Amino acid sequence: GIQVEQSPPDLILQEGANSTLRCNFSDSVNNLQWFHQNPWGQLINLFYIPSGTKQNGRLSATTVATERYSLLYISSSQTTDSGVYFCAVVGGATNKLIFGTGTLLAVQP
Amino acid sequence: DSGVTQTPKHLITATGQRVTLRCSPRSGDLSVYWYQQSLDQGLQFLIQYYNGEERAKGNILERFSAQQFPDLHSELNLSSLELGDSALYFCASSVLEDSYEQYFGPGTRLTVT
Repeated sequence: GIQVEQSPPDLILQEGANSTLRCNFSDSVNNLQWFHQNPWGQLINLFYIPSGTKQNGRLSATTVATERYSLLYISSSQTTDSGVYFCAVVGGATNKLIFGTGTLLAVQP
Repeated sequence: DSGVTQTPKHLITATGQRVTLRCSPRSGDLSVYWYQQSLDQGLQFLIQYYNGEERAKGNILERFSAQQFPDLHSELNLSSLELGDSALYFCASSVLEDSYEQYFGPGTRLTVT
């Protein structure tokens, strides 16, 4: 099956800093989503981005499907950005999301 | 708020017991997915239903079963519970079944003692 790798595994930032999170996947995909899991455990949809670039406020994402990677950019980070960021893909004949192991982000004031 | 609701939020039960987790998808969504998040296995797909019919199965144990009802809500039944079943169980929904964005509910945190 498709393998999803995320890097870095963890990241500590000072408030106001920028960061880039990466997601590599091993095969072509039909769907790619980025999620933020907050400290209360909720999974929040950030982007649905099987290809191209999208922006939402301080967050943006780019997926280069032909090269099998996606990037999540966080600018001017805030303490509320802390949590785990997951990349998940759908590929092949099923519709199940395959999750990466996540990037644990801690933003310090 | 994703529009997907799950009850209960927390559940504490003993080994050997049976529990039922409930999920209501977003209005208009026909497809429901169940995922399990545990410390050792990460987030894993369990099962998918589309308009009442089972569509795909993942790493779902035989002790677990699910169904989707005519009003499109879904239930996940976990029986003969073991300590290792302690996890966060998420339900997600999407409009159709083919590669559409999935929206997740707040999850049910199950603790088996």
